[in-house]
Amino acid sequence: SQTIHQWPATLVQPVGSPLSLECTVEGTSNPNLYWYRQAAGRGLQLLFYSVGIGQISSEVPQNLSASRPQDRQFILSSKKLLLSDSGFYLCAWSVAERGGGYTDTQYFGPGTRLTVL
Amino acid sequence: SQKIEQNSEALNIQEGKTATLTCNYTNYSPAYLQWYRQDPGRGPVFLLLIRENEKEKRKERLKVTFDTTLKQSLFHITASQPADSATYLCALDPSGYSTLTFGKGTMLLVSP
Repeated sequence: SQTIHQWPATLVQPVGSPLSLECTVEGTSNPNLYWYRQAAGRGLQLLFYSVGIGQISSEVPQNLSASRPQDRQFILSSKKLLLSDSGFYLCAWSVAERGGGYTDTQYFGPGTRLTVL
Repeated sequence: SQKIEQNSEALNIQEGKTATLTCNYTNYSPAYLQWYRQDPGRGPVFLLLIRENEKEKRKERLKVTFDTTLKQSLFHITASQPADSATYLCALDPSGYSTLTFGKGTMLLVSP
């Protein structure tokens, strides 16, 4: 069966510090991978998604970046955190099939709670 | 502009009653719509998917309807239990070949 891991579970960082959040998926090959942010009282905001190694699409311009160095590894980074970067960060994966009948059903990790002070 | 709207106010119901949550969308023609459950501090969990050519889908105590004319999906939980208390999100794929767009969710509170 497939599993998705995220770490750390919680993180408190000062403004201006760097960030690295990691997500790994087990039990599937060539998944689509996603990074979302969920701010308090707000919906899921798609930040980045990837359909393959080294292929990253950015949905929202910001001071965050993403990388996919391996097939089942997705990393979210920042060189300098802002207060507005605080939130709940979620990684998700979906099956990489396209075409008739495809549905982008997504499976989420446990999330990382980031507080920037 | 494209919108997915879910009732932002929490829905409070008594145990045993049927909970009905609404998802309305505008300026989309989705091929399918999905419902997810999210507990506090956890990631969303996929529950049900309904396609545009399906009027209704059931899974145990859950039922989803999809009216493409009204541009609305209804999510029902029958014989609700306190354990059903959570936030429920609807999501759709705007084009059939892109990523999901999620609504903000509706919180359901089931009282014993």
